[in-house]
Amino acid sequence: GNSVTQMEGPVTLSEEAFLTINCTYTATGYPSLFWYVQYPGEGLQLLLKATKADDKGSNKGFEATYRKETTSFHLEKGSVQVSDSAVYFCALPSTGGGADGLTFGKGTHLIIQP
Amino acid sequence: KAGVTQTPRYLIKTRGQQVTLSCSPISGHRSVSWYQQTPGQGLQFLFEYFSETQRNKGNFPGRFSGRQFSNSRSEMNVSTLELGDSALYLCASSLAGQEYNEQFFGPGTRLTVL
Repeated sequence: GNSVTQMEGPVTLSEEAFLTINCTYTATGYPSLFWYVQYPGEGLQLLLKATKADDKGSNKGFEATYRKETTSFHLEKGSVQVSDSAVYFCALPSTGGGADGLTFGKGTHLIIQP
Repeated sequence: KAGVTQTPRYLIKTRGQQVTLSCSPISGHRSVSWYQQTPGQGLQFLFEYFSETQRNKGNFPGRFSGRQFSNSRSEMNVSTLELGDSALYLCASSLAGQEYNEQFFGPGTRLTVL
């Protein structure tokens, strides 16, 4: 099946710093790619997605570009805020078809200090 | 539209007992997936239901089972609980269960096995 590797952290940054969280994947074909975020005590929320190569997903100032050449989907934000502190997960379908759920990275714990 | 709801939010059981968790998907969503989240193993796929049929199951023992009703609501059951079953159980729904469909997660049920 498909797999994903992401930096685990914790990643500690100061407010207004630039953020990059690396994510690389191994997959058959070109599956959709997702970034989810989990705030303390909550479930996962979809942050952004890209459904084909070279697509750029964006939401709330976060961006990620689907790079098939480097099999990567790195998450970036130009200026982080304290409220961005959370755990971020890179994910893709476990196999084609959608019946096998998503495969998630281990998660990156992001801590933003004021 | 109401989001994915899960009940109960918290549960404490003892070893050997069984437990049933409930998930109500977003209205109109026909696919429901279940995941187990633990600090050590991260997020792992349990099973997926679509139109009352289990389409696939992750690598979990037979003590873990589930079902889906005609209104798309789903339940999962864990029998003969073990300490290692302590986890956050997340339910996610999607429109048609296709690989490009984003999954919407509920807040989870926190199960503690003593």
